[in-house]
Order: sequence, then C-alpha cells, then structure tokens
Amino acid sequence: TQLLEQSPQFLSIQEGENLTVYCNSSSVFSSLQWYRQEPGEGPVLLVTVVTGGEVKKLKRLTFQFGDARKDSSLHITAAQPGDTGLYLCAGARNNAGNMLTFGGGTRLMVKP
Amino acid sequence: NAGVTQTPKFQVLKTGQSMTLQCAQDMNHEYMSWYRQDPGMGLRLIHYSVGAGITDQGEVPNGYNVSRSTTEDFPLRLLSAAPSQTSVYFCASSRGPGQPQHFGDGTRLSIL
Repeated sequence: TQLLEQSPQFLSIQEGENLTVYCNSSSVFSSLQWYRQEPGEGPVLLVTVVTGGEVKKLKRLTFQFGDARKDSSLHITAAQPGDTGLYLCAGARNNAGNMLTFGGGTRLMVKP
Repeated sequence: NAGVTQTPKFQVLKTGQSMTLQCAQDMNHEYMSWYRQDPGMGLRLIHYSVGAGITDQGEVPNGYNVSRSTTEDFPLRLLSAAPSQTSVYFCASSRGPGQPQHFGDGTRLSIL
C-alpha cells in the first residue's frame, strides 16, 4: 500500500469532457505538489498547495487541498489532447524531513 | 537553460556489471536526489543529498551508491547490476527536500 493513493490509475476520455483525479492518504502533509510528465521526459511541476482547503487554478486545471491536508484533487475542465500525460501528486511531511512521497500516478489520454 | 542534465539517456547492461549514471545541475541547488520510476509505482527515492559532502538513503537504497563532491554533480553508481534494477532513473534538484523539484529527462536502464 502506497502512502499516497491516486485514482483512477488510467483515464481515457474524449476532448471536451471534464475529469477529476484524486490523491488520498491517511497522513497529513505540510504541502502537496502536482506534476505532469510526458513520454520521454521528467515530471514538470504544475502547482504547490500548502494550506488546508486551498484552491488554485491554472487555466482549465483546478487544484484543491483537503481541509485536513490529507488529500487533494485535480479537476480538468473541457479536456484537450494536449492534456494527455501522466499526472503525479507528491506530498511533503514534516515528520519525514519534508521528503517528497509520490503517488502512483494517473495516466490520462484525451482523444480528439 | 540546461537545468538538470542526465547521461546516458539509454543503457543496457548485463547482470553483474557496474555503471555510473551522471547528473549535473546548473541552478546552484543544494538539494539533489535520485528516483526510480516503475509502472504504477510513481517515483521512489533512492538517495539524496542536502549539500556537497552530505548524502543519505531514501526509500530504496540497496544496490546503489552516491557521492556529492561538488554542488553541481550527483552521480549514481550501480555496484553489481541486477534485473530488478531495470527501471527509468530520474535525477532532481531543488532548493530543499519539500520544495518543487526540477527533474532531468531520465535514464532508461535495462539489465539483462
């Protein structure tokens, strides 16, 4: 069992649909980061959330940190083929030297 | 802007061989780390360094060695390659362990 569980693992949708990816844990995090990774490349940071209940928007992407700082979600509105990729959440815990723990990832494919 | 540079991009080894994966960053980051990425497992921390001359073990350190003689370079050594070490390896740097990570493009390693 991973410390951070992401769901779903795979998601294939049509262009224009909405989707939500979840990142859940029983542990409390001081901050949580979301990355997107494309084939053959390393992950690239999308956003960092640090306050319980915080909501951040990045164009069509909305990120939310749970009130208890144990979970997070990523919502994409009107998905486009360019959103295709692997989405990873990563949490930092104060009692673990702030080391990042990564979830298993959600592989998203948006078909035109 | 180079960022984090990893070499080689691809490598095939035979069981028992040794090799060094190179990683260099030009952002003057104190914190550097090595991860391995396996399907469905996200990124798992192998070793990390909080500055030149200081290294420590991560979640999956067995079979790997690191050193940090300069701020810029953080090589990862496989002592005696095993098929279980077939993976994609990513080097990352940042201002601190819980800070946003800057990743290289990875080294794809196959052990036969």
